[in-house]
Amino acid sequence: DGGITQSPKYLFRKEGQNVTLSCEQNLNHDAMYWYRQDPGQGLRLIYYSQIVNDFQKGDIAEGYSVSREKKESFPLTVTSAQKNPTAFYLCASTPGGRADTQYFGPGTRLTVL
Amino acid sequence: GESVGLHLPTLSVQEGDNSIINCAYSNSASDYFIWYKQESGKGPQFIIDIRSNMDKRQGQRVTVLLNKTVKHLSLQIAATQPGDSAVYFCAENEGLRALNFGKGTSLLVTP
Repeated sequence: DGGITQSPKYLFRKEGQNVTLSCEQNLNHDAMYWYRQDPGQGLRLIYYSQIVNDFQKGDIAEGYSVSREKKESFPLTVTSAQKNPTAFYLCASTPGGRADTQYFGPGTRLTVL
Repeated sequence: GESVGLHLPTLSVQEGDNSIINCAYSNSASDYFIWYKQESGKGPQFIIDIRSNMDKRQGQRVTVLLNKTVKHLSLQIAATQPGDSAVYFCAENEGLRALNFGKGTSLLVTP
């Protein structure tokens, strides 16, 4: 089956620790995105990548880092510098470089203890 | 920056009725709009999209209307079913960067 997978579904982290969220797609999509969603809120863009080995900051990139070494993978690291990391994280991808229809993964819920 | 917003945060409808969810956008340069459905604890699912050269587009039980004059977008769901209960987001295309999402409207379908 083609699609976007995110792992783990639930993640717990102690304050001061870095944690990496996985996002993999086998859709052969060029562009990938990371969003953060807080309760009762919309999606806010963290980082995006339109091509391998290139990525751009979104609206709330502080405290996060990404890499795009492979077309199918776009991991997100939540660093200890992120002041309020507890949230629902969503990864998405699109076929081309434009922000056309984005296909989303199932999300990872991160809780900082 | 410019934003996408929704008129109503919650909408309650009876099963079988039609639902209308509204969305206002402010970026006149946006040329592509999408409606997503998000069930609790899951990622958003694509419902329907429309480009700015169209006023209306129909899918299965859903219709999207675009009024560029007043920068308004609406999603109509015919014969609403319990499975339609979810949060609905509209999103606009900001060009090469990414989609800009509104805060969402929660649709509750009652029997």
